[in-house]
Amino acid sequence: DIQMTQSPSSLSASVGDRVTITCRTSQSISSFLNWYQQKSGEAPKVLIYAASSLQRGVPSRFSGSGSGTDFTLTISSLQPEDFATYYCQQSFSNPLTFGQGTKVEIK
Amino acid sequence: EVQLVESGGGLVKPGGSLRLSCAASGFTLNNAWMSWVRQAPGKGLEWVGRIKSKTDGGTTDYAAPVKGRFTISRDESKDTLHLQMDSLKTEDTAVYYCTTERDDDYVPYYYYMEVWGKGTTVTVSS
Repeated sequence: DIQMTQSPSSLSASVGDRVTITCRTSQSISSFLNWYQQKSGEAPKVLIYAASSLQRGVPSRFSGSGSGTDFTLTISSLQPEDFATYYCQQSFSNPLTFGQGTKVEIK
Repeated sequence: EVQLVESGGGLVKPGGSLRLSCAASGFTLNNAWMSWVRQAPGKGLEWVGRIKSKTDGGTTDYAAPVKGRFTISRDESKDTLHLQMDSLKTEDTAVYYCTTERDDDYVPYYYYMEVWGKGTTVTVSS
């Protein structure tokens, strides 16, 4: 199974900050990497797919980069509605696996 | 509008069975790859299993913790996805989400979970 390691596990940031979350995989997955946002009590929502493609309707302050084993989700200017937990997920091989999540909290 | 609505969750004793349903609207279930994802209380997301579209063979794959106990199927006539869960364990307690998996015309074969239901809660406890 492909192991996913996200860092940090949590972070505190202020509105307007630039936030970066990283995801490292235990083996190369090309660009088969997706990012999801989950707010408390809600279902997850896809933000980025194929490592860097922005899902329709997602604000352009979200961006993804990376390939191989190292990936990054960046929020260029954190907004109040972005406080949530973020997960990476690989679709390279079964079983599909998720990172453990990064909780973004208000500073 | 594409929508998924899960149902069938509840309280069940260890060793028991439960069948979850996921009603799809706005698209034809047979043409979609569908997955179940679960989330234990206070924990992260865990993929449970998937059924591919009929045109892609309709085959199923499962995560190791549920293989041999859980079965994913489709009811074509009702556009409903099912998750049959047998021999339930306390560690199966979670919110269960059904999701569509799709790829993009510009990046084919790069599947991601696009549409999610709101989830249904399964509690396995004596």
